[in-house]
Amino acid sequence: AQSVTQLGSHVSVSEGALVLLRCNYSSSVPPYLFWYVQYPNQGLQLLLKYTTGATLVKGINGFEAEFKKSETSFHLTKPSAHMSDAAEYFCAVSDPKSGGFKTIFGAGTRLFVKA
Amino acid sequence: NAGVTQTPKFRVLKTGQSMTLLCAQDMNHEYMYWYRQDPGMGLRLIHYSVGEGTTAKGEVPDGYNVSRLKKQNFLLGLESAAPSQTSVYFCASSFSRGTYEQYFGPGTRLTVT
Repeated sequence: AQSVTQLGSHVSVSEGALVLLRCNYSSSVPPYLFWYVQYPNQGLQLLLKYTTGATLVKGINGFEAEFKKSETSFHLTKPSAHMSDAAEYFCAVSDPKSGGFKTIFGAGTRLFVKA
Repeated sequence: NAGVTQTPKFRVLKTGQSMTLLCAQDMNHEYMYWYRQDPGMGLRLIHYSVGEGTTAKGEVPDGYNVSRLKKQNFLLGLESAAPSQTSVYFCASSFSRGTYEQYFGPGTRLTVT
């Protein structure tokens, strides 16, 4: 069975500071990993994904994440936070052999950005 | 290209009433999903469909029914609404091959009193 744990339901950073959102997963097979972002009163949109190959993946809006198999982690980072980054972020894991309906979402981390 | 659309955006029901949420996608995706989002619980899959005329249960299917008569539409029904079904409902779709990244609608906020 797969599972996703996001450490910290709320993270607060100052504008210009490093953003680090943590995600750990459990999977019996090499997973597909995703980060989605949800802005207020909107649906989720894909930020970035890892499938195979390079373990450091870059996404939209300057975000990136690194797949670390040994640590079963897929943490999301951004070097310098912007006010517009304030949103809720969801990590998700999917079994490549089972189709998208086996995607498991984490509980989410709400990012606050202080001026 | 509208992507995934959902109607209605908001709805208030009384306990025992019924309603149908409509999801439409114009990306020719084979797979479609209905999720509910509750605070601190992320997204939980209610039902999904892998193609026209087929549906299957997800993690929390009780109290809901679905239908997919056309490839582009996926309907979620509540036959007898309960306060526990107060939530935000999201529809999503994806291709049947590739990385299964999902495209989400804007959500429907449902309150059952």
